Amino acid sequence: QVQLVQSGSELKKPGASVKVSCKASGSRFTGYAMNWVRQAPGQGLEWMGWINTNTGNPTYAQGFTGRFVFSLDTSVSTAYLQISSLKAEDTAVYYCASGGNCSSASCDEGYFDSWGQGTLVTVSS
Amino acid sequence: DIVMTQSPDSLAVSLGERATINCKSSQSVLYSSDNKNYLGWYQQKPGQPPKLLIYWASTRESGVPDRFSGSGSGTDFTLTISSLQAEDVAVYYCQQYFSTYTFGQGTKLEIK
Repeated sequence: QVQLVQSGSELKKPGASVKVSCKASGSRFTGYAMNWVRQAPGQGLEWMGWINTNTGNPTYAQGFTGRFVFSLDTSVSTAYLQISSLKAEDTAVYYCASGGNCSSASCDEGYFDSWGQGTLVTVSS
Repeated sequence: DIVMTQSPDSLAVSLGERATINCKSSQSVLYSSDNKNYLGWYQQKPGQPPKLLIYWASTRESGVPDRFSGSGSGTDFTLTISSLQAEDVAVYYCQQYFSTYTFGQGTKLEIK
């Protein structure tokens, strides 16, 4: 089972950008989907989308297109979430989670068996 | 999108008693080709990430105590904690992975 370690908390001003990292260890980095999940303060879990660790092809959920970008650096077994033009409503904990098997063509859905510890992004002037 | 609705929103149970959380999906998450329900349960304690408890609706993840069990099929599912322990205080989420992903709104479990 893969272990996921995320970067630390961030405090950003509205309009700025942030890049959250998620480093995988303990298992091979490719072959599965790396998912991103948002949890606003006191709220539930919201799936943002995934990235195919074989191909780097991202899939974004509704509501997470445009300002949100998923990327990979396979040389360091790390996935990234970048959010641009930050708004106060982006304040949340962001989790990476592995789940679903991927081929070179696509990913299948699967349960999330490993989670990062979460990264708190606070957007405030 | 498949909507997941949990009930109740919060629940208070005495130590050693049974806790039951329900989850209903807006459409079936039973895949006919493999006869599996694409439904998982997660536990989230304050300040921690969610932890997988149950997958395929009833398969317990390795290391999860056997007081946790999952049941149901199609659109109606249940997570049962047979004898509540103090460490089980948490928020519990169901998740469907039949068609992308959606989570239930969560059920907060407390000690009575």
